[in-house]
Amino acid sequence: NAGVTQTPKFQVLKTGQSMTLQCAQDMNHEYMSWYRQDPGMGLRLIHYSVGAGITDQGEVPNGYNVSRSTTEDFPLRLLSAAPSQTSVYFCASSLHRLAGVEQYFGPGTRLTVT
Amino acid sequence: KNQVEQSPQSLIILEGKNCTLQCNYTVSPFSNLRWYKQDTGRGPVSLTIMTFSENTKSNGRYTATLDADTKQSSLHITASQLSDSASYICVVSATGNKLVFGAGTILRVKS
Repeated sequence: NAGVTQTPKFQVLKTGQSMTLQCAQDMNHEYMSWYRQDPGMGLRLIHYSVGAGITDQGEVPNGYNVSRSTTEDFPLRLLSAAPSQTSVYFCASSLHRLAGVEQYFGPGTRLTVT
Repeated sequence: KNQVEQSPQSLIILEGKNCTLQCNYTVSPFSNLRWYKQDTGRGPVSLTIMTFSENTKSNGRYTATLDADTKQSSLHITASQLSDSASYICVVSATGNKLVFGAGTILRVKS
């Protein structure tokens, strides 16, 4: 199993550009989520999905869109990048959403918006 | 407000020494508490998950404790190794599996 994979590893965008961060998992997990990690702060939930075709907003959803057309893939779209979106983005997956279930994180995408 | 606070922010120890990292939380209602290790440039990796009824849980040289009454947890690392250098993140799960992340403690182990 490759686990949770993310591409790209690094990305630099200009303000106003759009892009998609890719996330895939090969563990047949129902639950997938996107977080951002900023210096001195804990990870914050952007969006999550409890299964194909079902997505919902997390703590900091503004400026981001998601979709879940398959169990394996959960891309995160930045519609019009802003410097405030400079961050490290992590995708995570777990078997389901219930408490106590192990969550697996991808290696992260470091995004810089100039 | 649900919060998780970790201390110290950073720590430097000599290889072979023990250390203890602290986590205090105000998350309610409590479901479980997790400790993650995050190496530089990598995603977090789970060390332990503890429920309300568990006081201690070990994973090799890592031992986590939980006091649900005082809402405190600690992660004790025994006989530290250079590979223990990382950020250690405490995460508390509220009912409904809402995860609240601490900012982490950065540990550096020196030879």
